[in-house]
Amino acid sequence: QVTLKESGPVLVKPTETLTLTCTVSGFSLSNARMGVSWIRQPPGKALEWLAHIFSNDEKSYSTSLKSRLTISKDTSKSQVVLTMTNMDPVDTATYYCARINNYYYYMDVWGKGTTVTVSS
Amino acid sequence: SYVLTQPPSVSVAPGQTARITCGGNNIGSKSVHWYQQKPGQAPVLVVYDDSDRPSGIPERFSGSNSGNTATLTISRVEAGDEADYYCQVWDSSSDHPENYVFGTGTKVTVL
Repeated sequence: QVTLKESGPVLVKPTETLTLTCTVSGFSLSNARMGVSWIRQPPGKALEWLAHIFSNDEKSYSTSLKSRLTISKDTSKSQVVLTMTNMDPVDTATYYCARINNYYYYMDVWGKGTTVTVSS
Repeated sequence: SYVLTQPPSVSVAPGQTARITCGGNNIGSKSVHWYQQKPGQAPVLVVYDDSDRPSGIPERFSGSNSGNTATLTISRVEAGDEADYYCQVWDSSSDHPENYVFGTGTKVTVL
């Protein structure tokens, strides 16, 4: 059974750096046909893609947030980590990680998400 | 960047057919995927590559894509289909692709 689980702080202060971890099971981060993406969803709003990483360590970022994001993986720990710098209240959202199919670029399995609030 | 436009809401009576559109420039040339999101839950993939269904998704869910519009069709709508639906594509066409693009989302209400 494929699962992904997000973890990280519930509350961060403005200007702080957010670090989120996605722990996967049921598949390997070294699988050439798969990758992991981070997606977020502000309350009551649409989904927004943030970043992805593939088995060959290829990375890609949302153009609008590229300067603030870093994605990395630890294959031995089955973890993908996303950092977002200079957090702002508008970054308050539920953050999801999801497995990507490398051929058609869709997210076939999602984590349950973790809610992050940015407030002083 | 590439933009996907969906109607904010669609209402449908039980047993009828719901059609959710996703508009984008020449979207017919792209592979379109659809997600269902119920309140308080993570999205679930219901259609990929325009019209294929993941295992476990009922045949009532189908998709099509041509020209500037992709469509998710839910036949014989049930109360449990009430949710938000999002389309998504991979955009590699522009100088600064946003990569994964999601639609604006459509709330399906079962009357």
